[in-house]
Amino acid sequence: GQNIDQPTEMTATEGAIVQINCTYQTSGFNGLFWYQQHAGEAPTFLSYNVLDGLEEKGRFSSFLSRSKGYSYLLLKELQMKDSASYLCAVTYSGAGSYQLTFGKGTKLSVIP
Amino acid sequence: GAVVSQHPSRVICKSGTSVKIECRSLDFQATTMFWYRQFPKKSLMLMATSNEGSKATYEQGVEKDKFLINHASLTLSTLTVTSAHPEDSSFYICSAPFGGPGNTIYFGEGSWLTVV
Repeated sequence: GQNIDQPTEMTATEGAIVQINCTYQTSGFNGLFWYQQHAGEAPTFLSYNVLDGLEEKGRFSSFLSRSKGYSYLLLKELQMKDSASYLCAVTYSGAGSYQLTFGKGTKLSVIP
Repeated sequence: GAVVSQHPSRVICKSGTSVKIECRSLDFQATTMFWYRQFPKKSLMLMATSNEGSKATYEQGVEKDKFLINHASLTLSTLTVTSAHPEDSSFYICSAPFGGPGNTIYFGEGSWLTVV
């Protein structure tokens, strides 16, 4: 299978910056997504990377290195509402363009 | 507003009964939809790919006779959990791609199923 690894839990302080890493198997890679999921709710889209580099969108940025099979999600100016699980998901060629394989998610706790 | 709608959001059913969950794409057609389940504090696991007008494609380990999927129209896919057991209690989520690849995979709101 395609293993997608990300840390299980992280804690950060309100107003700070946090980086959530994700590594994945590179064979057949076709794009990487980051989703935010609050407890008991469906995931909401944050970012999509298919080319190397940094994509910035407000307080959130996502980085991709295809050769290293590595991505990170950067959250700046953390707010209490950012406490959630962050899911890294990858699409692989041959599995259907929209079929997502999810990591286990990183539970982020933002503390005052 | 939501572009993919799921119903019901919560359902409780008795063991042995069947329950149907609907996934609708709003204002766009989806020839393909995906069904996931998620246990508490676990990641989403793809159950099956729903294909309009043809049979669903199930992931390994998912019983197709137990989790019936019907994609009867371009805007509706249904998941029916048949002969439900308490271990089927879970959060079920559908998703549908809109347009081309990228930031266009929309998720439904999810459905909490509790089997008692």
